[in-house]
Amino acid sequence: GAGVSQSPRYKVAKRGQDVALRCDPISGHVSLFWYQQALGQGPEFLTYFQNEAQLDKSGLPSDRFFAERPEGSVSTLKIQRTQQEDSAVYLCASSLGVGSYGYTFGSGTRLTVV
Amino acid sequence: DQQVKQNSPSLSVQEGRISILNCDYTNSMFDYFLWYKKYPAEGPTFLISISSIKDKNEDGRFTVFLNKSAKHLSLHIVPSQPGDSAVYFCAASPRNLYNFNKFYFGSGTKLNVKP
Repeated sequence: GAGVSQSPRYKVAKRGQDVALRCDPISGHVSLFWYQQALGQGPEFLTYFQNEAQLDKSGLPSDRFFAERPEGSVSTLKIQRTQQEDSAVYLCASSLGVGSYGYTFGSGTRLTVV
Repeated sequence: DQQVKQNSPSLSVQEGRISILNCDYTNSMFDYFLWYKKYPAEGPTFLISISSIKDKNEDGRFTVFLNKSAKHLSLHIVPSQPGDSAVYFCAASPRNLYNFNKFYFGSGTKLNVKP
């Protein structure tokens, strides 16, 4: 597709449930980012992939968060044993090169933990 | 501690007038700055950027000003149009080990342009 696609758009999870959020970046984009946006806040960096290599995961809030991009295209963000504080919009973005600015964001997945 | 701050959560402007959105940052290592625009239920879209070697960048109705000594940047929209109504995020990036751009975002300013 022409843009970054994320699925599902909305996810409601019961506390303690595991969730998996998918991101399809723009074809050929080397860089892929995950950001977390809490209500009323700006996006916060979670992790970065360059092709299949996860080069920075410093923003992942806890070891319950795990991201992968095994073939250098589609990426999955997994959250284990979800907590209420995990409720947020999870944004994926991609860019063509390593040093590219102004990446393209997807529409996000809104996760609500009840 | 937030490294990028947008202290005005909202701004209301009459159509045709100038909109000025402000942003302050604390990290002197930031060397690239962007503004993103976000409509409800959509992801942020890139609007305009500026490198730390410049103090102004213009693109049509949008101009970004950077004051490095004050660690302040602003986005001017002239003339403002109702379609500009959205949330505007300021973002800043330092260079890092892997040379990718890890952005720190402000909390956003909701602009309402009244017809």
